Parts: sequence; C-alpha cells; structure tokens
Amino acid sequence: DTEVTQTPKHLVMGMTNKKSLKCEQHMGHRAMYWYKQKAKKPPELMFVYSYEKLSINESVPSRFSPECPNSSLLNLHLHALQPEDSALYLCASSQSIAGGPPGNEQFFGPGTRLTVL
Amino acid sequence: AQTVTQSQPEMSVQEAETVTLSCTYDTSESDYYLFWYKQPPSRQMILVIRQEAYKQQNATENRFSVNFQKAAKSFSLKISDSQLGDAAMYFCAYRSTGAGNQFYFGTGTSLTVIP
Repeated sequence: DTEVTQTPKHLVMGMTNKKSLKCEQHMGHRAMYWYKQKAKKPPELMFVYSYEKLSINESVPSRFSPECPNSSLLNLHLHALQPEDSALYLCASSQSIAGGPPGNEQFFGPGTRLTVL
Repeated sequence: AQTVTQSQPEMSVQEAETVTLSCTYDTSESDYYLFWYKQPPSRQMILVIRQEAYKQQNATENRFSVNFQKAAKSFSLKISDSQLGDAAMYFCAYRSTGAGNQFYFGTGTSLTVIP
C-alpha cells in the first residue's frame, strides 16, 4: 500500500467553526507533513512530525493545531480560521532520515480543499 | 536553509516533441537527494524521478530523464515524446541526508502540451 489518504476532500467552514482534517498512511513512514498550497504555487511547509513528535513548526498561527495520535495518523485541527486560510491542504509522508536508509521521496495525499467563509 | 530555483514559470511544448525544465539549487552539502514532482490539474502530487547526489549516472524513467550537474548545482528534467497527459505543474525538490526531514521545493513550472 503506497497510498496516503486524506479526509474530507472538500471542506467549507465559517470563521467560528472548529473542524479537523485527517491523514492516514500504512507504509511504515515515521515522518509526516502538513503543507498549505495555493493555486499554481509550491507547497508551503506547516508542520513536520518525526516519530510522532513535532519536529518542525514553520511559525504557523495557533488557529492550526496538529496532532499525531500514532505512527499512521496525522490530524490538523482548525479553529477560528480566516478567509485567507482558504487553500489546498496536503498531507505527505516519507521515511525518516533517522530511521534508516534515507532518500525516499515524499508520498502525497490528494489534499483537502478548504474554503473559509 | 537550502534554496531551489526554477527559473521558468511557464513552458509549452508540442505533442511528441521534447522539452527541458530547469532547476538549480544552493547547498553546502555533498550528499543529498533531488526529485521532480508532477501535479496535474487534479492536484495529486506524484513523483516523476529521483536522483541521489552520490550517483554520477543520470536517472531515467521511461520518457523522463534528468541532467544532473553536481558541480553546477543543476538538475534539469527532460521530457521526451511529450503527451497531453504531461500537462501539469512540475516542482523540483531537494532533500538533505542530514538531520531533519525537510524537503525544499522550487516555485514550479507550468507545462502546457499543445496538440
């Protein structure tokens, strides 16, 4: 199984809502990532988890809260978002550099298209 | 942090022709990994090809090949016999072999294939 799954595919929320994005992989990867992507732009790194611990937080506003409950799951909790947060949110996974032979690529999920009204 | 530069925001190619997408990067490391990713309009990002810096031989995957020039820090992607399905955004990416699991992406090249 070389797939990263993400739910939901689409999400529309108001600025006062609380919602969560979910990501799952069963490739045994111990590094998982959240990216934000605007149209025709590269993915912007938000968070990296290595061995279920947050290793990189790219100064993301606190209205985005990541969670890694186990080695296969990654969540992104959303609260009090702004319209400028509307984007495609991509989850990815890869082998961890610390965990063995490095160099494997990231596998990306299909993304969640988020619209904040 | 490493930087990855793609100097061609947009490119076009006739169907069945060959096109080359450019990528340069800046690093002080001697060992690292380079990737080309493709993101079609459906937006699923998929790997096209990878290159390990310690390998002198250029990677190839069917119609896709790279020209890896380590000294020049250049990593271009050649697409031969272009097909309509090759139309997509193409991102060049760098991964260090050192500590950390971060990937660095270029700004992307939008490729149009003309029938």
